[in-house]
Amino acid sequence: NAGVTQTPKFQVLKTGQSMTLQCAQDMNHEYMSWYRQDPGMGLRLIHYSVGAGITDQGEVPNGYNVSRSTTEDFPLRLLSAAPSQTSVYFCASSYSSGGRGWANYNSPLHFGNGTRLTVT
Amino acid sequence: SQQGEEDPQALSIQEGENATMNCSYKTSINNLQWYRQNSGRGLVHLILIRSNEREKHSGRLRVTLDTSKKSSSLLITASRAADTASYFCATDEETSGSRLTFGEGTQLTVNP
Repeated sequence: NAGVTQTPKFQVLKTGQSMTLQCAQDMNHEYMSWYRQDPGMGLRLIHYSVGAGITDQGEVPNGYNVSRSTTEDFPLRLLSAAPSQTSVYFCASSYSSGGRGWANYNSPLHFGNGTRLTVT
Repeated sequence: SQQGEEDPQALSIQEGENATMNCSYKTSINNLQWYRQNSGRGLVHLILIRSNEREKHSGRLRVTLDTSKKSSSLLITASRAADTASYFCATDEETSGSRLTFGEGTQLTVNP
């Protein structure tokens, strides 16, 4: 199993540009999520999904969109990039969810290796 | 806002010594997890301890949980240079089933 795969590894955008960060997992995990990691801020949850067709907002959702059309994929879209979105983005998945709108964290999260995004 | 706060922010020890990191949190939790992050990589799950457990072991790792003090500690015994990494605690709050909240981490350096 490849686990959680994120692409690209690095990206530089100009302010106002849009892009999609890709995330795919091959573990048949129900739960997938996106975090951003900034110095001194730890990891903050952007959006999450408890199954195909179901998404919800996390702690810092503004400026980002997600969709979950398949179990395997959970892309993160930046609609109009801003310098404040310069960060390292991590996708994570886990085996179980508690059903619609509810995440069950009794299973560990599996992380990808991140996308380092710079917005100039 | 951050639920878990690790202490210390940075720790430097010699190989063979033990390393202890602490995590404090604010609200009642279902469980608490510890993760490791090597430089430039994603986080890797180390251990999960449920709110009704007080201590858990996994190899050289020992985790304790004191729900009355809202704190947890991670002990790495007989540390190795390969243990050099950042360590994060993450809490699953009782009142928010949709969020696993991470602290800012402890940077551990193990010198050969």
